[in-house]
Amino acid sequence: SAVISQKPSRDICQRGTSLTIQCQVDSQVTMMFWYRQQPGQSLTLIATANQGSEATYESGFVIDKFPISRPNLTFSTLTVSNMSPEDSSIYLCSVETGQGAWGYTFGSGTRLTVV
Amino acid sequence: AQRVTQPEKLLSVFKGAPVELKCNYSYSGSPELFWYVQYSRQRLQLLLRHISRESIKGFTADLNKGETSFHLKKPFAQEEDSAMYYCALRDATNKLIFGTGTLLAVQP
Repeated sequence: SAVISQKPSRDICQRGTSLTIQCQVDSQVTMMFWYRQQPGQSLTLIATANQGSEATYESGFVIDKFPISRPNLTFSTLTVSNMSPEDSSIYLCSVETGQGAWGYTFGSGTRLTVV
Repeated sequence: AQRVTQPEKLLSVFKGAPVELKCNYSYSGSPELFWYVQYSRQRLQLLLRHISRESIKGFTADLNKGETSFHLKKPFAQEEDSAMYYCALRDATNKLIFGTGTLLAVQP
């Protein structure tokens, strides 16, 4: 199955600043997914990133706040813009793995704390 | 609406006891369901999927369409099973919808 390298693993940021999270996959994948896991809550899909097209955002998430890049089939970035303490979460990227629908592989996550 | 419900936030059992982690879903189409596990300080990883009908680490899960359930079971819990377990549903657009998770604590 695919191996994902996600960085940074954690960061503490000042409010009003932005953080870019990177995900590198060791194989070419069509779709990459970005999730948020707020403290004590489940994973919520932010957006789906396809190479060569604009990312598709879920309800409640907008491109201005969470711009995504997908320059090729093995890499994507998620930026958390103009951060506030409410953005403190774990952010994860994910890709579908295997033939058909074996499942999804997740990155190790980025633990973001906004102060 | 598409939804995955895990009613228990915490399930505490003794080593050797049976385990059942509950998962119910709401989905209008034909569901594809997964169980994911996250051990302490490790990344989220796939445990099993209903299509495979397999047993992984002694865990099994049967899809019951009548009851819209996909409960995870293991006859004899081990301490190393302690982890966070998430039930998830894949929808027609390949998105995963997660439940809120159940923390399984296996006491010695």
